[in-house]
Amino acid sequence: EDKVVQSPLSLVVHEGDTVTLNCSYEVTNFRSLLWYKQEKKAPTFLFMLTSSGIEKKSGRLSSILDKKELFSILNITATQTGDSAIYLCAVKTSYDKVIFGPGTSLSVIP
Amino acid sequence: DSGVTQTPKHLITATGQRVTLRCSPRSGDLSVYWYQQSLDQGLQFLIQYYNGEERAKGNILERFSAQQFPDLHSELNLSSLELGDSALYFCASSVALASNEQFFGPGTRLTVL
Repeated sequence: EDKVVQSPLSLVVHEGDTVTLNCSYEVTNFRSLLWYKQEKKAPTFLFMLTSSGIEKKSGRLSSILDKKELFSILNITATQTGDSAIYLCAVKTSYDKVIFGPGTSLSVIP
Repeated sequence: DSGVTQTPKHLITATGQRVTLRCSPRSGDLSVYWYQQSLDQGLQFLIQYYNGEERAKGNILERFSAQQFPDLHSELNLSSLELGDSALYFCASSVALASNEQFFGPGTRLTVL
C-alpha cells in the first residue's frame, strides 16, 4: 500500500531557530514529491521535487529529495511566527494518484 | 486567492442525506482534483478529472461520485451520509494533466449530524 510518513508530527520552536521537517515514502510508480504549507485554510504549494540531490530554494525555505533512500527534507532557516502552519508532504504517482502525509504542525513562538 | 472557487462554504446536514459540492477551477485549468481532510485521516485524495474525463481514483467511497462538466466545473456528490463523512472537502485545479502544482480552493466544510 502506498504510504507517506512525516516526522515530527508537531514541533514548537523559537523565532530564529532552524527546523528540518522529514518526509519518507513508499509508493509504486513515483513521479514527484510536493511540499505544501497549510495555514488556516487551503494548502499552498511550496516545492515540487522530481530528481535526487537537486536543492530547491525559495527564500528561507529549501528542500531536497533522495530517491534512493525514499525521503525528502524541508528546511526552514531563521524561522518567523508567520512560518507557523502545517507542512504537508505529498507524493504523486505516474497514474496521477496523490498520497499526502499526515503533516507536521510547526509553531514558532516569539 | 488561488482562483479556485468552491460552494457552499459550510454545509450542515443529517445522516442519510445527499449533498452536492461544487468547484470552479482557475481559468484555463483543465484538471480538477477532490480531496477530503478530516482530523483523524489527514488529507486524502479522492478523485481527479481532466477535461471532463475521470483520470485517477484514490480513496473514494462508492457512496461518493463526481463529474466534470463541459465548462470544466466539477461537482462532488456525497450520498447516504454518515457521521464520519464530516470533513473539509477541497477542490484543486492544475493547468495540464501532468502538472504537479495544484491550486487549492478554500474548501467546503461538511458537518453531518
